Amino acid sequence: AQTVTQSQPEMSVQEAETVTLSCTYDTSESDYYLFWYKQPPSRQMILVIRQEAYKQQNATENRFSVNFQKAAKSFSLKISDSQLGDAAMYFCAYRSAIGGAQKLVFGQGTRLTINP
Amino acid sequence: EAGVVQSPRYKIIEKKQPVAFWCNPISGHNTLYWYRQNLGQGPELLIRYENEEAVDDSQLPKDRFSAERLKGVDSTLKIQPAELGDSAVYLCASSPDGRYLWGYTFGSGTRLTVV
Repeated sequence: AQTVTQSQPEMSVQEAETVTLSCTYDTSESDYYLFWYKQPPSRQMILVIRQEAYKQQNATENRFSVNFQKAAKSFSLKISDSQLGDAAMYFCAYRSAIGGAQKLVFGQGTRLTINP
Repeated sequence: EAGVVQSPRYKIIEKKQPVAFWCNPISGHNTLYWYRQNLGQGPELLIRYENEEAVDDSQLPKDRFSAERLKGVDSTLKIQPAELGDSAVYLCASSPDGRYLWGYTFGSGTRLTVV
């Protein structure tokens, strides 16, 4: 079974600075998808960024980018120019690309605080 | 376009009582998921529906949990009887179909407290 580990329960950063959230995963599959979700106090999980395992190029979405290291099974999220609205729980998630296995496997989450 | 709608937003019940949660997915989304999120943890899948068929319910505690998705649209998740350990946030999500490769749309969840 796949597992996802986020080793940082909490992180904080000054507004306008850059922060990196860590995520490692364990799988025997070669084709899969990785995601970062943001969960604000409203509880709705919001997709931040996604990465296909077969792509070597790291995904980027505006101020959000990932560092995908397939051999190391590492998938970190970098947030540049942090804004107060970025404060939330962040979850790393794995999804198999095989057959009908459509569930997301989530890590434990990292609580991100933005200091003004 | 309305997102995934869940109700109620909060529910407090005494142990051994029944409780039900309701989810209305995005219009046209054939696949519906129920996740449970314990405090301080990431969500875990309980059940996945393709239209009205439950195609993955391996993580659903069937002795006390049940779910249905009549007509392949709205879904209800029920717990009877509730236990203290069932306190959690119950999230519903939907996607266009089971082949949809990307992340899907979540609702805001129901926070259940069992006392």
